Amino acid sequence: GNSVTQMEGPVTLSEEAFLTINCTYTATGYPSLFWYVQYPGEGLQLLLKATKADDKGSNKGFEATYRKETTSFHLEKGSVQVSDSAVYFCALSTGGGNKLTFGTGTQLKVEL
Amino acid sequence: NAGVTQTPKFRVLKTGQSMTLLCAQDMNHEYMYWYRQDPGMGLRLIHYSVGEGTTAKGEVPDGYNVSRLKKQNFLLGLESAAPSQTSVYFCAWGIAKNIQYFGAGTRLSVL
Repeated sequence: GNSVTQMEGPVTLSEEAFLTINCTYTATGYPSLFWYVQYPGEGLQLLLKATKADDKGSNKGFEATYRKETTSFHLEKGSVQVSDSAVYFCALSTGGGNKLTFGTGTQLKVEL
Repeated sequence: NAGVTQTPKFRVLKTGQSMTLLCAQDMNHEYMYWYRQDPGMGLRLIHYSVGEGTTAKGEVPDGYNVSRLKKQNFLLGLESAAPSQTSVYFCAWGIAKNIQYFGAGTRLSVL
């Protein structure tokens, strides 16, 4: 079956620090990979995606590269802001119905 | 998320009571989903639908029923609520291959 493993949080950083949130996966078939972000009290929002090996998804300064050889999709940002404080979910999708399998989420706290 | 509404936003039930959550859209989305979110467990798929009149079980379907009689509405029912069903429930919909968008959520407490 499919599964996604994320690094545990919370991750606490100072503003302008470099961010990495690790994500690895196991999947049957060839998955599409996603990062979603959840701000307090809200639903999840799609942050970025990649659909094939070596694709790089990017949005709002965040990036992640689909690494098939290491089954990874790590999220990075060069300089975080307080407004980036949220919970980040790695997810994958395979097969019919476009069903998503999520990791457990990583809480990010950015302090001044 | 214009065009899609998830109701109610909050609800408190007593054990054994029933309720229905509604996800309503007016944007002709084919794919619709119900998830639950619990601390430390991410989101887990309860049921989903790939079109009007179709439903399928997800990862954690027990204790829930769903219906998609009209394309616009995807209903999630709890026939006899249990404390283990205390959670935040999210409706989601697909507008393109493999991309899902989420509603604002319903916070349910079962006492």
